[in-house]
Amino acid sequence: EDQVTQSPEALRLQEGESSSLNCSYTVSGLRGLFWYRQDPGKGPEFLFTLYSAGEEKEKERLKATLTKKESFLHITAPKPEDSATYLCAVQANFGNEKLTFGTGTRLTIIP
Amino acid sequence: DTAVSQTPKYLVTQMGNDKSIKCEQNLGHDTMYWYKQDSKKFLKIMFSYNNKELIINETVPNRFSPKSPDKAHLNLHINSLELGDSAVYFCASSHRVGIQYFGAGTRLSVL
Repeated sequence: EDQVTQSPEALRLQEGESSSLNCSYTVSGLRGLFWYRQDPGKGPEFLFTLYSAGEEKEKERLKATLTKKESFLHITAPKPEDSATYLCAVQANFGNEKLTFGTGTRLTIIP
Repeated sequence: DTAVSQTPKYLVTQMGNDKSIKCEQNLGHDTMYWYKQDSKKFLKIMFSYNNKELIINETVPNRFSPKSPDKAHLNLHINSLELGDSAVYFCASSHRVGIQYFGAGTRLSVL
């Protein structure tokens, strides 16, 4: 069964303090790894898709990277508006087309 | 102009009642999903429809019955509600597999 583990569960950073969120996965052949952002009271919002080890994607202060066992979401010089829960999900090559999500990292940026 | 809209946003009901949640998307996507997010923020797929055909049916009690009258709508009917059904239910749609667009969620509280 596909599994996704995210760490840490919660992270508090000062504004401008860079850090990384981790997503470890076990999947029977990776079709894609996805990062989503979820604000309180809202649905998840798509950020990035990564398909193969070594791939990187960037958007503003966020950069996602992928290895064969894990993905990192690097956040550089974060601002308070980056506060949210970040969810990682994987899709397997075989079987149905579902996403398996991790439980997320709740990120708080303190001004 | 909301892309994926769910109604109602909040639903408070007694145990044993039957309730429905409606979802509509105006993105022209072929595939729609229902997810359940529990109190620990774990997001788990329940059902998926592609062009009105059921393609994912996870281990969900048969008290839950999805219905897709057309590819823009996916409703969820729940019979004989139980305390454990309390959660946030999200509808989502996608064109390309993995990049899903979520509604704002329906917070169901069973008393």
